[in-house]
Amino acid sequence: EAGVTQSPTHLIKTRGQQATLRCSPISGHTSVYWYQQALGLGLQFLLWYDEGEERNRGNFPPRFSGRQFPNYSSELNVNALELEDSALYLCASPQGWRAGDIVPKPSSKETQYFGPGTRLLVL
Amino acid sequence: AQSVTQPDIHITVSEGASLELRCNYSYGATPYLFWYVQSPGQGLQLLLKYFSGDTLVQGIKGFEAEFKRSQSSFNLRKPSVHWSDAAEYFCAVGQTGANNLFFGTGTRLTVIP
Repeated sequence: EAGVTQSPTHLIKTRGQQATLRCSPISGHTSVYWYQQALGLGLQFLLWYDEGEERNRGNFPPRFSGRQFPNYSSELNVNALELEDSALYLCASPQGWRAGDIVPKPSSKETQYFGPGTRLLVL
Repeated sequence: AQSVTQPDIHITVSEGASLELRCNYSYGATPYLFWYVQSPGQGLQLLLKYFSGDTLVQGIKGFEAEFKRSQSSFNLRKPSVHWSDAAEYFCAVGQTGANNLFFGTGTRLTVIP
């Protein structure tokens, strides 16, 4: 079974440009989480997509956006790039919750499996 | 609100020595706790997780962690460190019906021969 895949591995952009990052979750997983790992700031939650919809977002400006496709892959778009957007962007794939799931119930759905990341450099 | 503290930014140990990485969390209910490892230039790999039950959790690569509710801690241990363990280690807390995880700032482990 393939793990979480992300592309590209590296991306170099200049200030003001737009960046598009892609993620494919583990087969059968329908949720995708995006995190930003900037130098000195640790891992910060960005966005959560499930069943094609944005379910939650972290404390990031609206120029960080994305979408999830019918095959559950996801795109993260960063508009009007700023120097401080330089970071490693990680995508995570848990199994996700469904309507009717019994909550709380510890399960592997709570476990997030991460892709290798896309390293974005803004010059 | 949930938070995770990893008090040690950087730890250096000799190969073969024992290791303990500290993690303290703040969360009102029973948390779900995770340890991830990130090798240079790589993504995050799950080492182990705690949901409920036995408070001593075994993970991959010979790591274990112990959940201590009274101390709000989930420290990671390994009895004998290998050079390949040099990496950054992240503790994270999640919650039921999870949305995102909350991560600590990480502890960088250096292993000297």
